[in-house]
Amino acid sequence: ETGVTQSPTHLIKTRGQQVTLRCSSQSGHNTVSWYQQALGQGPQFIFQYYREEENGRGNFPPRFSGLQFPNYSSELNVNALELDDSALYLCASSLQGNNQPQHFGDGTRLSIL
Amino acid sequence: RKEVEQDPGPFNVPEGATVAFNCTYSNSASQSFFWYRQDCRKEPKLLMSVYSSGNEDGRFTAQLNRASQYISLLIRDSKLSDSATYLCVAPGREGGSQGNLIFGKGTKLSVKP
Repeated sequence: ETGVTQSPTHLIKTRGQQVTLRCSSQSGHNTVSWYQQALGQGPQFIFQYYREEENGRGNFPPRFSGLQFPNYSSELNVNALELDDSALYLCASSLQGNNQPQHFGDGTRLSIL
Repeated sequence: RKEVEQDPGPFNVPEGATVAFNCTYSNSASQSFFWYRQDCRKEPKLLMSVYSSGNEDGRFTAQLNRASQYISLLIRDSKLSDSATYLCVAPGREGGSQGNLIFGKGTKLSVKP
């Protein structure tokens, strides 16, 4: 069984730039969720993708967008980066449904200078 | 009330101690809950799922009190390797946040020799 993999592991950007983070879901999982985790906080839900469509969104502005591909992998795109976007970005895969536990990748640590 | 609220911690306990973490949630319609463990600068890892009144797995016991909207995690015979941050997780509300997980801020546990 292949777990959730994310790339890159670390990234440094400057304010105003754009970034794309990638995630491959665990084999057998059809749903991908993205979270932002700031230092000392729990992960905050950004959005979820199921059947290649957004299936729920947290309190994040439109400059946070995503995609899901037919193989269930996913991308998170962030435009016009701000200093406060510095965080650990976590991807989690699962089967669809509120009762399904989610399994996380190692995350991408994004630093904005 | 915050959607998921945990004991502030940190908990510093000796090896062999029994320690309990508490968590309250606001969405009375939630059916399933999770405890995740997160080591420093690592991704959250699923520790236990809680679907009914409770769950037990070795030294770990999770209990759910729906009337009080309260979940607990009990760790018996603490080991040094139990040192981590423990995240209480509940499903998000239906509608805009369908399918997401709401994480508490986490409770840090340090087990000392």
